[in-house]
Amino acid sequence: KAGVTQTPRYLIKTRGQQVTLSCSPISGHRSVSWYQQTPGQGLQFLFEYFSETQRNKGNFPGRFSGRQFSNSRSEMNVSTLELGDSALYLCASRTRDTQYFGPGTRLTVL
Amino acid sequence: GQNIDQPTEMTATEGAIVQINCTYQTSGFNGLFWYQQHAGEAPTFLSYNVLDGLEEKGRFSSFLSRSKGYSYLLLKELQMKDSASYLCAVRGLRDSSYKLIFGSGTRLLVRP
Repeated sequence: KAGVTQTPRYLIKTRGQQVTLSCSPISGHRSVSWYQQTPGQGLQFLFEYFSETQRNKGNFPGRFSGRQFSNSRSEMNVSTLELGDSALYLCASRTRDTQYFGPGTRLTVL
Repeated sequence: GQNIDQPTEMTATEGAIVQINCTYQTSGFNGLFWYQQHAGEAPTFLSYNVLDGLEEKGRFSSFLSRSKGYSYLLLKELQMKDSASYLCAVRGLRDSSYKLIFGSGTRLLVRP
């Protein structure tokens, strides 16, 4: 089976812009979670989607949003980008108990 | 509150054994995970413990004690390629939602 895929892999934006990241889960996986990873804060949970419904949300401002489509693909959106949003954004899909990560999208905000 | 602690850095010699500890305090417990992450790459799944005891998988073993809020990852016959960060993560909620809370990671350096 193909693994979790994320596009784009790298992105450079400027402050105030918005960005949309995409994630395709492993075939058959219906749950997609998003995480932000920074050197200072480590890996932090953003949100989880299952069957197009958000099931849980981390402690991030409303500028961070997401959605899931009927084919389980997911997108996350960050509006009004800030310098501190520069990070590796990881998507993960899971079986019952185990979560598998995609390669991530490295976002740089200038 | 929710807190996961693991050492920041460890150094070991090729061929040796190293144990990476993780202690946690979370609201509810629904499993503990270990991931390996090489620099610039995504985390890869190593192990999952939900019951007390030792889980062995090749050169890697993971141990869990729920009463002590404690886990360790044991790496045997260390290889240079084992140089990476090792992340301890806990699934803290008891409901059907799946949210992993990660420790800051332990950077392991394997020397010849």
